[in-house]
Amino acid sequence: DSGVTQTPKHLITATGQRVTLRCSPRSGDLSVYWYQQSLDQGLQFLIQYYNGEERAKGNILERFSAQQFPDLHSELNLSSLELGDSALYFCASSLGTGQPKNIQYFGAGTRLSVL
Amino acid sequence: DAKTTQPPSMDCAEGRAANLPCNHSTISGNEYVYWYRQIHSQGPQYIIHGLKNNETNEMASLIITEDRKSSTLILPHATLRDTAVYYCIVRVATGQTGANNLFFGTGTRLTVIP
Repeated sequence: DSGVTQTPKHLITATGQRVTLRCSPRSGDLSVYWYQQSLDQGLQFLIQYYNGEERAKGNILERFSAQQFPDLHSELNLSSLELGDSALYFCASSLGTGQPKNIQYFGAGTRLSVL
Repeated sequence: DAKTTQPPSMDCAEGRAANLPCNHSTISGNEYVYWYRQIHSQGPQYIIHGLKNNETNEMASLIITEDRKSSTLILPHATLRDTAVYYCIVRVATGQTGANNLFFGTGTRLTVIP
């Protein structure tokens, strides 16, 4: 158990809909990361937040947005869903300052199926 | 970030050492080598990391060549549960306030054979 909690585990929805994925980081971690893993693209970085502020952006579509709340949990919002958005979505969080640096711990993921 | 090259797949007999190579010939002086693995659609799992010295923990050993252009992850006694995709990632460790995203390439699919 990595200590990172993602809900829900599975999500089935229809095209055009909107969903919210939730992530609770490990206790004490201030950074949260979102990654998408589809069959043909592998693991792709989407976005990173640190203590509520956006820190880095990857290949995140404009239909997707995220935020990190004061209690440090994060939500990834996916809207106007398309068939191609079907994927595993992973959240990761990273440890505090000092060694080891930049060790990211991943949740079990949310499997999104868009029908 | 430096690019890495890994063989797409490897087999290893159960109980034997698994040696997974990674080439990172363009690595710069402040870049760390990280290894993660992903067991069948589970979340990636951190294994080990290093800068220039060899490292060992309860999961594996990391051997980095003196010129730092390549490294080898060693699982000393592979078990069936070690069957996974192993990712070698080279990244500057900027600390938690900076951009710390990881770039996962295609990795090496290790199959441990009974």
